[in-house]
Amino acid sequence: DAKTTQPPSMDCAEGRAANLPCNHSTISGNEYVYWYRQIHSQGPQYIIHGLKNNETNEMASLIITEDRKSSTLILPHATLRDTAVYYCIVRVPTASGSARQLTFGSGTQLTVLP
Amino acid sequence: DAGVIQSPRHEVTEMGQEVTLRCKPISGHNSLFWYRQTMMRGLELLIYFNNNVPIDDSGMPEDRFSAKMPNASFSTLKIQPSEPRDSAVYFCASSLGIGGSLQETQYFGPGTRLLVL
Repeated sequence: DAKTTQPPSMDCAEGRAANLPCNHSTISGNEYVYWYRQIHSQGPQYIIHGLKNNETNEMASLIITEDRKSSTLILPHATLRDTAVYYCIVRVPTASGSARQLTFGSGTQLTVLP
Repeated sequence: DAGVIQSPRHEVTEMGQEVTLRCKPISGHNSLFWYRQTMMRGLELLIYFNNNVPIDDSGMPEDRFSAKMPNASFSTLKIQPSEPRDSAVYFCASSLGIGGSLQETQYFGPGTRLLVL
């Protein structure tokens, strides 16, 4: 199963871009990279996902390297409300192989500083 | 849409008591997931339903845990009897696609904080 590696913590100044890296060197050709975040005491929130092309939505941009072994989530103008744990996830099958679950690692604690 | 709704938001009970957690998925979604989050183990999938049918319950820790989905708009997770080690935040999530879809996106509820004394 493809695993992900993220730095445990990062700081970012309010109003600046936050760039969160993720390594997924064992990703297979048909697996997507998903990003979720979890603000303290809330449920995880979907941010963005992609396969090989760069993606952008109203929340963030996702940059995936050409070899797909790593990606970067970009929050273009970080605010205090973006302080959260950010999870980079590669879709993997469940233990029985009958469905695909989200496997959450430790994530990156992003702290946006005023 | 109101999103995924979970109740209760907080539950405090004594060891040995039965606990029932409830979830209402987003209307039109046909997949429902129950997760548990603890400091020690992070977020873990417990069970997953597709079209109200349990597909994979390999994450359910033991027989004290059971989950049902009697219809497309309601699911329960029951713990009987409860133990202190069951204390955690329990999240319900729903998605539009079937479990095998690589493009499935899961939407999470606010969670139920369970404390078993």
